[in-house]
Amino acid sequence: QITLKESGPTLVKPTQTLTLTCSFSGFSISTSGVGVGWIRQSPGKALEWLALIYWDNDKRYSPSLKTRLTITKDTSKNQVVLTMTNMDPVDTATYSCAHTRRYFRGSGWAYYFDYWGQGSLVTVAS
Amino acid sequence: EIVLTQSPGTLSLSPGERATLSCRASQSVNNNYLAWYQQKPGQAPRLLIYDASSRATGIPDRFSGSGSGTYFTLTISRLEPEDFAVYYCQQFGNSPLWTFGQGTKVEIK
Repeated sequence: QITLKESGPTLVKPTQTLTLTCSFSGFSISTSGVGVGWIRQSPGKALEWLALIYWDNDKRYSPSLKTRLTITKDTSKNQVVLTMTNMDPVDTATYSCAHTRRYFRGSGWAYYFDYWGQGSLVTVAS
Repeated sequence: EIVLTQSPGTLSLSPGERATLSCRASQSVNNNYLAWYQQKPGQAPRLLIYDASSRATGIPDRFSGSGSGTYFTLTISRLEPEDFAVYYCQQFGNSPLWTFGQGTKVEIK
């Protein structure tokens, strides 16, 4: 059974750096084709993908936030960590991590988020 | 940058009715790599449909997806009480790699 859980501060001040940890079980991030991503949802707004790290340590970032994000993994601890610098009140959101794997079709494949954590609400305020 | 626009914003229906949700992309979705998710209040999103028309594990067959290119639909053939929720479409492969629509709320009429 795959489970994921986010942890981190609930309140950060503007300009500070946010560090969130995703702790997971039921899979290994060293398994070929597996990845863990971060998605956020601001109050009343759509889901926004932020970053993803693959089993081979390949990393992908949202172009609009790339300069502020860093994603890393600790395979031995079953954890993925996201850091976001220079936090602003507009970054107030629920931050979720999610599992992904290759979904094969013919000679190609895609990645979809098939297991999600419950999310962690982060408020940015002074 | 690809943008997904969902319509309608809110769909008011009764249990037993058919629901049809739309997702329109600003450019062609790469290989029709499109998914649908269901989210209930206080819960994480749940993957329903992937590759535009394939049901995820454990998803009832009243949920079906169709479409290609820039226009996709999610159909719920007969709404059950547990189906009232917010539904999101999501594409993979264009830039940004993963993009979500703004959601359609299916509410009880």
